[in-house]
Amino acid sequence: EPEVTQTPSHQVTQMGQEVILRCVPISNHLYFYWYRQILGQKVEFLVSFYNNEISEKSEIFDDQFSVERPDGSNFTLKIRSTKLEDSAMYFCASSGASGGEETQYFGPGTRLLVL
Amino acid sequence: QKEVEQDPGPLSVPEGAIVSLNCTYSNSAFQYFMWYRQYSRKGPELLMYTYSSGNKEDGRFTAQVDKSSKYISLFIRDSQPSDSATYLCATRFSGGYNKLIFGAGTRLAVHP
Repeated sequence: EPEVTQTPSHQVTQMGQEVILRCVPISNHLYFYWYRQILGQKVEFLVSFYNNEISEKSEIFDDQFSVERPDGSNFTLKIRSTKLEDSAMYFCASSGASGGEETQYFGPGTRLLVL
Repeated sequence: QKEVEQDPGPLSVPEGAIVSLNCTYSNSAFQYFMWYRQYSRKGPELLMYTYSSGNKEDGRFTAQVDKSSKYISLFIRDSQPSDSATYLCATRFSGGYNKLIFGAGTRLAVHP
């Protein structure tokens, strides 16, 4: 069964460093998303991406964050100058081509710890 | 008012019990309703997906949406210890790329 994959599974970084989180969405999906979940809190939307551009972003997704689809398979989230409060699980999700009828499938997540 | 409200539990039941999990939401324009299961430190796994009002059944799981009262439910019959997880309700507007809005999740423990 097709699935969303994410690398790395864990990332530890120093405050102020840049990190890139990587995702391989389900191959025939066209919509891509990043969510995050701070420990003990709800899953929160960060950004959606379609047709090589951002469709929607939350207020969390400020200039510190960027997304890219550098090739036909990968979807990345870059966090510049990480802060302590960026420590969270980051989930990539993708959904299919038929738009309104499709729902989102999530990857296993990357646990980011900023020290 | 929160967009999606969900009692975080924890909810502890004996094996074989019927479990009822519930959420309320505030925006009547939400059209799609999902239940995800999340094991500790893992990604959300889609369980059930419903469009608009009505019931949907899949094995031991039944999802209900009552749009008139803005209430969504997940029932688990013959609960098993392997059902122990956090259950997340989520909703979104129509449109293929619309974000999911999650509840806080209800932690369920099914003990043998």
